[in-house]
Amino acid sequence: GAVVSQHPSWVICKSGTSVKIECRSLDFQATTMFWYRQFPKQSLMLMATSNEGSKATYEQGVEKDKFLINHASLTLSTLTVTSAHPEDSSFYICSAISGSRSYEQYFGPGTRLTVT
Amino acid sequence: SQQGEEDPQALSIQEGENATMNCSYKTSINNLQWYRQNSGRGLVHLILIRSNEREKHSGRLRVTLDTSKKSSSLLITASRAADTASYFCATDLSASGTYKYIFGTGTRLKVLA
Repeated sequence: GAVVSQHPSWVICKSGTSVKIECRSLDFQATTMFWYRQFPKQSLMLMATSNEGSKATYEQGVEKDKFLINHASLTLSTLTVTSAHPEDSSFYICSAISGSRSYEQYFGPGTRLTVT
Repeated sequence: SQQGEEDPQALSIQEGENATMNCSYKTSINNLQWYRQNSGRGLVHLILIRSNEREKHSGRLRVTLDTSKKSSSLLITASRAADTASYFCATDLSASGTYKYIFGTGTRLKVLA
């Protein structure tokens, strides 16, 4: 089956620093990747849609200058949380779809970010 | 918000019993998917049901869809302790022309051994 990985699986950073999270599709080419965030005991909230080679589309209320998304290749998308604050602490999950089976999203295992 | 609502928010049952979770949504859809999430982990795809389907089975899972009521249900039969997890429905935004999905609020299922 399709596998999506995320790196790192967890990260602790100090307030004011930037953190980069990688999302890779390991055995398929991902035409589109999605980034979600999830607070404890809550649902996933879509942050942005990322298409290879083009700018990401952000959901309403998501600051594009704070959450920088780059989808440089068909197998890699990155999310950079800039000038992180404690309220950015969350579980970040990416998903990817391939062109051939576009209705099914394959999810990464998630990255837990803690900002101190 | 277009986010779907799920009920119950939490469900606790004994092993061997059936668990039913419901999902309601607001907009027209092409399909609806159910996912499972173990604590602190990523999501696992369970089943997809298209808007022209009314019922679908996969092992111990049974999903129904009522587009007139904009609702779906997930039934897990003969539950096991390993079924303990959070379950989410996700609906596509057919009108948007994208492959975006909106997730429901989720049901936290606990199966007691």
